[in-house]
Amino acid sequence: AQSVTQPDIHITVSEGASLELRCNYSYGATPYLFWYVQSPGQGLQLLLKYFSGDTLVQGIKGFEAEFKRSQSSFNLRKPSVHWSDAAEYFCAVGPNYGGSQGNLIFGKGTKLSVKP
Amino acid sequence: GAVVSQHPSWVICKSGTSVKIECRSLDFQATTMFWYRQFPKQSLMLMATSNEGSKATYEQGVEKDKFLINHASLTLSTLTVTSAHPEDSSFYICSASDNRGNTEAFFGQGTRLTVV
Repeated sequence: AQSVTQPDIHITVSEGASLELRCNYSYGATPYLFWYVQSPGQGLQLLLKYFSGDTLVQGIKGFEAEFKRSQSSFNLRKPSVHWSDAAEYFCAVGPNYGGSQGNLIFGKGTKLSVKP
Repeated sequence: GAVVSQHPSWVICKSGTSVKIECRSLDFQATTMFWYRQFPKQSLMLMATSNEGSKATYEQGVEKDKFLINHASLTLSTLTVTSAHPEDSSFYICSASDNRGNTEAFFGQGTRLTVV
């Protein structure tokens, strides 16, 4: 079955500390991979995506993620967290057939809290 | 990036009434639109996919007679929750894509529906 697992429901880090949010997926083929951020009561904002090529992808707001095929993982990282990064983060996978990328399977999300 | 506008942002309705949610692509033609539902502290679950001018395709377990989706133009899709009940209270989010190869889908800001 296709699924996305985000093992950490809630993570708290200190401002300025590094961050890694975990994401593992189960998919029939090589998927397209996404990380989204959602602030309370808001929609989703795309942080970054992996389609092909370099397995380390850079996104907005200083985020990056690395696709590791052997581990079926796509962990999100940021070297230094800012208080404004506090939000809910969703990992998602989509079909790799070159069409619309709206049919996504989402993980349950990781809530990030940032301590001053 | 492209802009998708969802309206209203929040709505409260009485049990038994119907509610319509609009999803508009403001600066591109959305060949395909997706409707998701998000329960509190849960992930987004795809409800249905609609292609302009065609009937929507519903995910398993989603009642098509309850959640009416219309995608009559390339910039507008609507979701109507018919005979709403308190258990329909949720956060509904749409996304839209122009279906060109490897394009991402852009999300609206979501609609918080509360049925009382």
